[in-house]
Formats: sequence, C-alpha cells, structure tokens
Amino acid sequence: EVQLLESGGGVVQPGESLTLSCAAYGFDFSNYAMSWVRQAPGKGLEWVSVVSGSGSATHYADSVQGRFTISRDNSKNTLYLQMHSLRVEDTAVFYCAKERVLDYDSWSAYLGYDSWGQGTLVTVSS
Amino acid sequence: QSALTQPASVSGSPGHSITISCTGSSSDIGGYDYVSWYQHHPGKAPKLLIYEVSNRPSGVSSRFSGSKSHNTASLTISGLQAEDEAHYYCTSFTRGTTNLIFGGGTKLTV
Repeated sequence: EVQLLESGGGVVQPGESLTLSCAAYGFDFSNYAMSWVRQAPGKGLEWVSVVSGSGSATHYADSVQGRFTISRDNSKNTLYLQMHSLRVEDTAVFYCAKERVLDYDSWSAYLGYDSWGQGTLVTVSS
Repeated sequence: QSALTQPASVSGSPGHSITISCTGSSSDIGGYDYVSWYQHHPGKAPKLLIYEVSNRPSGVSSRFSGSKSHNTASLTISGLQAEDEAHYYCTSFTRGTTNLIFGGGTKLTV
C-alpha cells in the first residue's frame, strides 16, 4: 500500500525558514516524480513544486520561485521542501503527491496524482 | 496562468445526479485530453477520481464519470451519497514549463 507521510510543519515568523519532509512507502520511490501542493485557509489547491524521479529536474510556481527548494533522497525514500523567507501568504496545509505514471527524468503531473499525504500545516505569523 | 473556472458550489439530493463543470481554453482543456478530477474531504488526503478526461483509477466508484466538450470538462456524480459531500478540483495540462493548471474548486453539498 502506498503511503505518504508529511512532517515538519509548524508556526514561524515572517522571514524565517522551515523544511518539510515526506516519507514514502509502498512503491519504487525513485521512479516517480513527486510534487508539493498546498492549500491556504479557505482557498483551493495550489501546485507548488515538482521534482523528477532522479532528482535532476525541478520546477516551481512563480509564487515560491527563489524562496523554496524541492529535493529528494532516493536512498531514504524521502521528499523535501526547504522554505526560506516565508511570508504570511505561505500559510497553508502542504501536501506531497505522487504522480500516477513513472517518470525518472521529468514529470507528468497532468496525468494525475494517484497518492497524496494527509498534509502538514505551515503557519507564518508574527 | 489563470486557474480553470469551476462553480464555487453545487448541491444535490441523495440518489440524484450532479455535474461539475471546469472551463478553460484551447491552451489547456480544449487542446489536450489530460483532465483529472480530485475529491477532497477537509483534513484528508485528496483522492484521484478521474484521469485523462474519463478514466477511473482502480477502486473508484463507477458513480463518478468524466467528459469533455471543447474547452469545458465535466465531472458527473450519479446516485449521490452523503459521503460525496466534499470539495472537487479539476486539473489540466497546459502549455508552458509547469504544464499543470488547477481549477478553483467546487464545494458539493449533499
């Protein structure tokens, strides 16, 4: 059974940093691109970032470009999101998501995310 | 890129059917057969219901079906049940590096 378990959320002040983790179980982690998707309070889902299965290719939403860094450790089956210069508007539940189709060198999120974690809450407040 | 357009809310009675629309453009929905639909109960993990316009993953009820016409995709839920009450999101392939765009979400009340 596929499981994705996020951790690392918490309360931080504007300008501070935080790193999220997503531990993956039940599938060949290195063969799937992974994404972070967030949901701000009262808002819809927003795609944040993606990393290819190999970790060699990454991409970010404009709203986080230059502040967030996505990475993965395939030896530990873990996905990360380093978040710097956090803003109040970054307050959200962050979900990690697994793509439905194998993709080692790129990503194909448009083919669907077939597994999601339960999410971890990040609150940025002074 | 603007989000795909979904109605903010829809409602239906148990046993009845509802359809949620998702409107984009020729650069996304209209140009490609890569529409997905997700169900999201608050506090839980989102769930993939439909991929590539009309395909259901294994384990998803046949009460959920997807279709597309021109720049609008639709999710139909038949035989509404109380547990269907949730938020529903569409996504589509879109030209550009990100190649994924979300809809704004629709709250279904049963």
